[in-house]
Amino acid sequence: QSALTQPRSVSGPPGQSVTISCTGTSSDVGGYNYVSWYQQDPGKAPKVVIYDVTKRPSGVPDRFSGSKSGNTASLTISGLQAEDEADYYCCSYAGSYIWVFGGGTKLTVL
Amino acid sequence: EVQLVESGGGLVQPGRSLRLSCAASGFTFDDYAMHWVRQAPGKGLEWVSGIYWNSDYTGYADSVKGRFTISRDNAKNSLFLQMNSLRTEDTAFYYCVKPRHSSSSDFDYWGQGTLVTVSS
Repeated sequence: QSALTQPRSVSGPPGQSVTISCTGTSSDVGGYNYVSWYQQDPGKAPKVVIYDVTKRPSGVPDRFSGSKSGNTASLTISGLQAEDEADYYCCSYAGSYIWVFGGGTKLTVL
Repeated sequence: EVQLVESGGGLVQPGRSLRLSCAASGFTFDDYAMHWVRQAPGKGLEWVSGIYWNSDYTGYADSVKGRFTISRDNAKNSLFLQMNSLRTEDTAFYYCVKPRHSSSSDFDYWGQGTLVTVSS
């Protein structure tokens, strides 16, 4: 079990789009359509923004979208807003009742 | 309203044991698998352990396998994590986490967390 690989930080001005990648292996990201993404504000519990690779929970703006290609999943946030500034984590099922998180990405809205 | 309330955290010396509890309410507890996720101060999230609704399946991160044991009491709507042979690197906030649906692989409700500090 190795942590999924995410960029440490990404940034963009308001209104632009950013994409956060999440790279795993064929045993986790590539092997299952069970990738989820979490937004975490400082001092708060994480909140799921994408699940099952592409699905968006009710209440999450449609500016948030997810995708996957091979062993890499991606979270795209379009029309960046100041309130999107947070830490983002990917998570994947890895088989045998095991889950693995990514190391996290700090999103800065410039 | 779904509520997950963790307890049992505290300061413990390396090599000692601690048992965390999570009291669940607001949903049918025995319909859901449950999980523990931890976060060291200022660090990222780490999935620790999960347990199937009827305890038939359990899973552990390599970092805790053989030292931690997850269990549940469906009659008392409670989840537990027995932590033995604690190490300084186990210092973290421990979150009790509920998946979205009984068979889903994402986590839609998180407790407030309980802090475990392993230090001499």
